[in-house]
Amino acid sequence: SQQGEEDPQALSIQEGENATMNCSYKTSINNLQWYRQNSGRGLVHLILIRSNEREKHSGRLRVTLDTSKKSSSLLITASRAADTASYFCATDAGDSWGKLQFGAGTQVVVTP
Amino acid sequence: DAGITQSPRHKVTETGTPVTLRCHQTENHRYMYWYRQDPGHGLRLIHYSYGVKDTDKGEVSDGYSVSRSKTEDFLLTLESATSSQTSVYFCAIRGSVKETQYFGPGTRLLVL
Repeated sequence: SQQGEEDPQALSIQEGENATMNCSYKTSINNLQWYRQNSGRGLVHLILIRSNEREKHSGRLRVTLDTSKKSSSLLITASRAADTASYFCATDAGDSWGKLQFGAGTQVVVTP
Repeated sequence: DAGITQSPRHKVTETGTPVTLRCHQTENHRYMYWYRQDPGHGLRLIHYSYGVKDTDKGEVSDGYSVSRSKTEDFLLTLESATSSQTSVYFCAIRGSVKETQYFGPGTRLLVL
């Protein structure tokens, strides 16, 4: 079963616009991570937010976490064609083995 | 690039044949993971390892076995491949300090 559920499944925007995607999860977490996957490639880590944090920034990325609602959002500002990719949230329950549970992902297409 | 390679990168095999996928890392990371990625499911954990000869089952382990006889190599074996095991397989590693995972390039497996 998946821990994270992402919304929307797909998103199409133009360059310069902001892209927002959401992740909901079911059980308590130690941290939540976002990854990007370009077509046919492995996943690349983008940002990690801990359960005691509410917001985090990294470049054009802004992540929020609401543990009371068990949800997170990823905002990409001023999107570029190079941001075209699938984005996945992953939850870490804080067990001893670093296991992650991934959502099904949001496919983002940025057109010039 | 966390020094992770996967081999083979592509494989076509027939139902009932054994298949072994290899994950190799060059940085002595303790934790290694095997995932499969299928449309609509994100990544699902098959097996993981927390040291040489220390492995355990993940979410979708039926039909798969693993071995880790050296720190740098984590092997995934399909004892008797089935068409439902057609997928893209990703290996990932995690260090002991950072909580993020680093992914290999993936292996595309087609079982006919």
